[in-house]
Amino acid sequence: EIVLTQSPGTLSLSPGERATLSCKASQSISSFYLAWYQQKPGQAPRLLISGASSRATGIPDRFSGSGSGTDFTLTISNLEPEDFAVYYCQQYGRARFSFGPGTKVEIK
Amino acid sequence: EVHLVESGGGLVQPGRSLRLSCAASGFTFDDYAMDWVRQAPGKGLEWVSGISWNSLSREYADSVKGRFTISRDNAKNSLYLQMDSLRADDTALYYCTRVFGGSHFDYWGQGTLVAVSS
Repeated sequence: EIVLTQSPGTLSLSPGERATLSCKASQSISSFYLAWYQQKPGQAPRLLISGASSRATGIPDRFSGSGSGTDFTLTISNLEPEDFAVYYCQQYGRARFSFGPGTKVEIK
Repeated sequence: EVHLVESGGGLVQPGRSLRLSCAASGFTFDDYAMDWVRQAPGKGLEWVSGISWNSLSREYADSVKGRFTISRDNAKNSLYLQMDSLRADDTALYYCTRVFGGSHFDYWGQGTLVAVSS
């Protein structure tokens, strides 16, 4: 089973700052099978990034994804007030999906 | 526009059963695999089960294997999750999701809440 670890657990930043979120896999995965989601309180998760770096439809270009192998990163270049939320990475492998524990981006 | 609407959640005693449903619209249902993902109160996301477009492939998380059964009815554009032998740790919001490209979940329902308690 592939385990995803996300860091930091909580990120305290101010609007306008840059957020860098990390997702590490316990073994190498194909970038094709790495995705990122945003979840706000009381809402379902929303797909942000698929294939490690492809933004989903309607996602602003301040969101970007990168990485390969075991190390992946979600960057939010200029935090807007609506970006404060929890972010999850997700992978697919060996007929199983799994999620990381999440990173909460909170207002400092 | 894609819509996924879950139903069937509720309060149930440990050891009892519950059947969740998901009504899909706005896309060709039998073109896609579909999955269930759950989220315990205040916790993260956990993949539960998935089914291929033609029902030939069904997968389960170890935590539910042998207790939950996923199924679909393409004629009714519906996805189901039969949950037996429910336990307290099955308490969660259950989301119906559409799988895109076999790699990620591009659409999510709003979820249906299952609470297992005596």
